[in-house]
Amino acid sequence: EDKVVQSPLSLVVHEGDTVTLNCSYEVTNFRSLLWYKQEKKAPTFLFMLTSSGIEKKSGRLSSILDKKELFSILNITATQTGDSAIYLCAAPNNNAGNMLTFGGGTRLMVKP
Amino acid sequence: SQTIHQWPATLVQPVGSPLSLECTVEGTSNPNLYWYRQAAGRGLQLLFYSVGIGQISSEVPQNLSASRPQDRQFILSSKKLLLSDSGFYLCAWSKGWGIQETQYFGPGTRLLVL
Repeated sequence: EDKVVQSPLSLVVHEGDTVTLNCSYEVTNFRSLLWYKQEKKAPTFLFMLTSSGIEKKSGRLSSILDKKELFSILNITATQTGDSAIYLCAAPNNNAGNMLTFGGGTRLMVKP
Repeated sequence: SQTIHQWPATLVQPVGSPLSLECTVEGTSNPNLYWYRQAAGRGLQLLFYSVGIGQISSEVPQNLSASRPQDRQFILSSKKLLLSDSGFYLCAWSKGWGIQETQYFGPGTRLLVL
């Protein structure tokens, strides 16, 4: 059974801090790993990672995948209160429906 | 561009009442469609997915059902709600395999069963 585990469960930091969120996975026939940010409503897509060692970057957010050690990290530098959210990682499985197995999420709170 | 709609946004229903949540996608054809439930402060649990009209796969046993009467319409239903059905229900779509396999989520329906 596919499994995706995120850590830490929650994190409280102050504005300007840098945070690293972790996602480990055990997925048969791994294809990709996705990161989402969820504020009050629906998750919004951040990154899709398919290759080891290639950093994806969007502003202050960046993410990298290690397919040998089966994990990914999401970094946020110079955090702002607007970064407060639940961050979810997920991996598609192999069935016809292309379902995603989600981790439990990391709840990040950035204090002013 | 593609958009996904869900309604209602919020719903308060008594135990034992029926449920119908609707999800529609615009701007794409033959999407994969998904229903998820998220309990407060928890991760996403996949309930149903559909790869085409009339094709529904269920991931967890429960008193909910899903239907896909049209290509871009996905409906989540229940004949009799339970207290444990409370949660945040998200519909998502994806185009399929490879680079298109990212799922995009609708705004969600917050359901409270009393």
